[in-house]
Amino acid sequence: NAGVTQTPKFQVLKTGQSMTLQCAQDMNHNSMYWYRQDPGMGLRLIYYSASEGTTDKGEVPNGYNVSRLNKREFSLRLESAAPSQTSVYFCASTRTQIETQYFGPGTRLLVL
Amino acid sequence: AQKITQTQPGMFVQEKEAVTLDCTYDTSDQSYGLFWYKQPSSGEMIFLIYQGSYDEQNATEGRYSLNFQKARKSANLVISASQLGDSAMYFCAMRPFSAGGTSYGKLTFGQGTILTVHP
Repeated sequence: NAGVTQTPKFQVLKTGQSMTLQCAQDMNHNSMYWYRQDPGMGLRLIYYSASEGTTDKGEVPNGYNVSRLNKREFSLRLESAAPSQTSVYFCASTRTQIETQYFGPGTRLLVL
Repeated sequence: AQKITQTQPGMFVQEKEAVTLDCTYDTSDQSYGLFWYKQPSSGEMIFLIYQGSYDEQNATEGRYSLNFQKARKSANLVISASQLGDSAMYFCAMRPFSAGGTSYGKLTFGQGTILTVHP
């Protein structure tokens, strides 16, 4: 039982490059979330998926897209990376929208 | 909109002593949950404790307890008998439970408090 897994752990991109961050959970959770963590700002919600087949914007969605591939997997795509997207990205999941969220280990992204 | 305020950027405590990390929140929702997470230097987010807004008793989980004062909108984390391994960043977070609201289910985090435990 791995919980929430994220790949890659670390990535360096050049401005304008694209990439997809992968997230998977094996807890049969319905809701999944993507956050970014910047120094001194806590975690901010980028996108979330309340259930399979639905996605919604969070607090800071600009420059990102998401796909809820199936119940287990929720990916985050940067179409044209910018230095302002340098951050640590966390995926989280929860059984229902009002229960405790459990987080993956994070992906450190550096955009040059 | 929800807002979480953690006014202590950093806290220091002696090993084996108790420490309180402050958290105040602002919400118009009547039903919500309060959470504390620990983030060690390795970076992962570890869930510590949960308090529901309608829970009459303060939550406890081992050495962690949540001092919930609803009227003051505060949800302070108390760590008893601090250990060196408690040194980490601690985040307070809140999640409204009012179905149909735009913030329903969304977790809002504070900026965090860095706790350093001295031997």
